[in-house]
Amino acid sequence: GAGVSQSPSNKVTEKGKDVELRCDPISGHTALYWYRQRLGQGLEFLIYFQGNSAPDKSGLPSDRFSAERTGESVSTLTIQRTQQEDSAVYLCASTLRIGETQYFGPGTRLLVL
Amino acid sequence: GQQLNQSPQSMFIQEGEDVSMNCTSSSIFNTWLWYKQDPGEGPVLLIALYKAGELTSNGRLTAQFGITRKDSFLNISASIPSDVGIYFCAGNNNNDMRFGAGTRLTVKP
Repeated sequence: GAGVSQSPSNKVTEKGKDVELRCDPISGHTALYWYRQRLGQGLEFLIYFQGNSAPDKSGLPSDRFSAERTGESVSTLTIQRTQQEDSAVYLCASTLRIGETQYFGPGTRLLVL
Repeated sequence: GQQLNQSPQSMFIQEGEDVSMNCTSSSIFNTWLWYKQDPGEGPVLLIALYKAGELTSNGRLTAQFGITRKDSFLNISASIPSDVGIYFCAGNNNNDMRFGAGTRLTVKP
C-alpha cells in the first residue's frame, strides 16, 4: 500500500479483556516497530521486528503485552487482561532497512474503561 | 525507555513569527529526525539529518545536526496557522530510536 495502515482506528474495551491491534507496513519494508503514546506524551518504544530475526522486545512494559509478525508483512500487538493504564495511542512504523527513516501509521486509539 | 530532552514543551506564537525548538541527549546518535504530529494522526517526517554539523532546509523549516551528535534544533520561519501541531525530535542508532516528549505549537492568526 501507499503507507502504513493500522486497524482498528479506535478501540474501547472493558478492563480485563484482551485486545488485538493490527499493523500493515509499507510493502517491502523489512523492519517494523510498535510504539505507545500516552496522552500528551512522547513515543515509548515497545517492540521491533527486523526480517526473520528474533524481535527486540526490550520495550514491552509487562508480560501482558506480546506481538507477532508474519514474515515481512502484517504485525499484531496483543494486550491481555487490559488495564486502564493501557489506554493510549498505539503507533506502528516501518522502514525499508534497519537504521533508515521510519514511516508511521495513523495509530490505534485504545480506551480501557 | 530513555527519552530525549526536548524544549520548549509548548509555544504560543503569532502568525508570521519564527519558531525554534531543540533536543538534547546524553547519548550520541547517528541520525536525528524531526516529525510533526497533527491531532488524530501518526507522526509525519519533516526532516532527516545524517551527518554531524549538517544543516538541512525543507521550505520554511531548517534543522541542524549538532556537531557533538548529541543535539539538534528545528527552526520554522514565518509561521502560518497550519503549522499548529506537536513536533517531535528523534535520535536513531540503527534499530534504537528515541523520541523527545514533543513541542506543542499554537499559532494565533
